[in-house]
Amino acid sequence: QQQVKQSPQSLIVQKGGIPIINCAYENTAFDYFPWYQQFPGKGPALLIAIRPDVSEKKEGRFTISFNKSAKQFSLHIMDSQPGDSATYFCAAQETSGSRLTFGEGTQLTVNP
Amino acid sequence: EPEVTQTPSHQVTQMGQEVILRCVPISNHLYFYWYRQILGQKVEFLVSFYNNEISEKSEIFDDQFSVERPDGSNFTLKIRSTKLEDSAMYFCASRAWSPTNEKLFFGSGTQLSVL
Repeated sequence: QQQVKQSPQSLIVQKGGIPIINCAYENTAFDYFPWYQQFPGKGPALLIAIRPDVSEKKEGRFTISFNKSAKQFSLHIMDSQPGDSATYFCAAQETSGSRLTFGEGTQLTVNP
Repeated sequence: EPEVTQTPSHQVTQMGQEVILRCVPISNHLYFYWYRQILGQKVEFLVSFYNNEISEKSEIFDDQFSVERPDGSNFTLKIRSTKLEDSAMYFCASRAWSPTNEKLFFGSGTQLSVL
């Protein structure tokens, strides 16, 4: 019940495409859903996050869509660039807890 | 942007040896964490630390692991007797606790190789 399932495992798009990464969870106590971006040899860096009281959040080219009833959320990257090539992790956290539970990660490649 | 600093970046040790991984969290942060990532797998929570004590730990964080904040700036993870399966990238993270700021800052990690 603590798991966060992420798909796809890898994704290749052309520059300008809109990659979409999906995550699903079971634990209804989760109420904070961040996305992290990780470049090789670096730690994860927070990209964007959402709470369940909104269905969508947009920051620059990155958008989170959240479906509370389906317990799913997704990351959309508009006008993707080669510099967006990285591993993306979704995560979830309970208000009462301090740990982040991460998804399995998606390796995104944006071809020029 | 402020950074979490981890040293060393790489550590090679023999099975059964003790290792200490070191971290300097961001200076005004109050919550500290260790996570690990086995090659090609997801990031896994190990432990959280607040007010000089462990606030939460995972099933991975057994008696072989310990954490300490020895001097008010450093935050360390000790593995008492390393096993082959402890080989992973270990990330330190810190967070400034406030109702509006949940941002967790990660360091660049220490790659631990147990031979």
